Amino acid sequence: AAGVIQSPRHLIKEKRETATLKCYPIPRHDTVYWYQQGPGQDPQFLISFYEKMQSDKGSIPDRFSAQQFSDYHSELNMSSLELGDSALYFCASSLGDVRANTEAFFGQGTRLTVV
Amino acid sequence: DAKTTQPPSMDCAEGRAANLPCNHSTISGNEYVYWYRQIHSQGPQYIIHGLKNNETNEMASLIITEDRKSSTLILPHATLRDTAVYYCIISFWANNLFFGTGTRLTVIP
Repeated sequence: AAGVIQSPRHLIKEKRETATLKCYPIPRHDTVYWYQQGPGQDPQFLISFYEKMQSDKGSIPDRFSAQQFSDYHSELNMSSLELGDSALYFCASSLGDVRANTEAFFGQGTRLTVV
Repeated sequence: DAKTTQPPSMDCAEGRAANLPCNHSTISGNEYVYWYRQIHSQGPQYIIHGLKNNETNEMASLIITEDRKSSTLILPHATLRDTAVYYCIISFWANNLFFGTGTRLTVIP
């Protein structure tokens, strides 16, 4: 079965650079979630989209922005990168939102290293 | 403030049942209990979820107390590949899954 696809899997950027992470949800899934997981930490919710509209916002820095496109894929744009942005970034998708008795499935993540 | 409380770690002998508890005393009537696990920096893996009835699938069983203030995830026959961090998550008012600290389960040969 098709899963959530994230690209790239690994990314190395220098401080103050910009990075774009992409997420392709499971076909027909209309909801996308982004999470950040620092070393030794638990996943922290960043932002979510439902039907191309932002549905919830967590601890996402102002330097980050995201959107969901008409084909439901999503991109997380990160600017003015800092060393502390080095982390695993996970995307998840679901059909409908998790308040409505649905499962969310995660991709394998993008490992961002800022040097 | 934590929405769920789980023991930080547990051990389980291979082949035995692993019972992972979770307290969620502030859960609301329409909030679901979700369980995910994460194996060494891989993407979190969905296990099971439920509202108030016990649920079972090919991976695990979920037992929710009648007052819904706690639940237990049961892996009936733990294998070494079940070693992971297990997260009990409540689907809150917001459209997201809030990960707490989870339980690190170690399956011992």
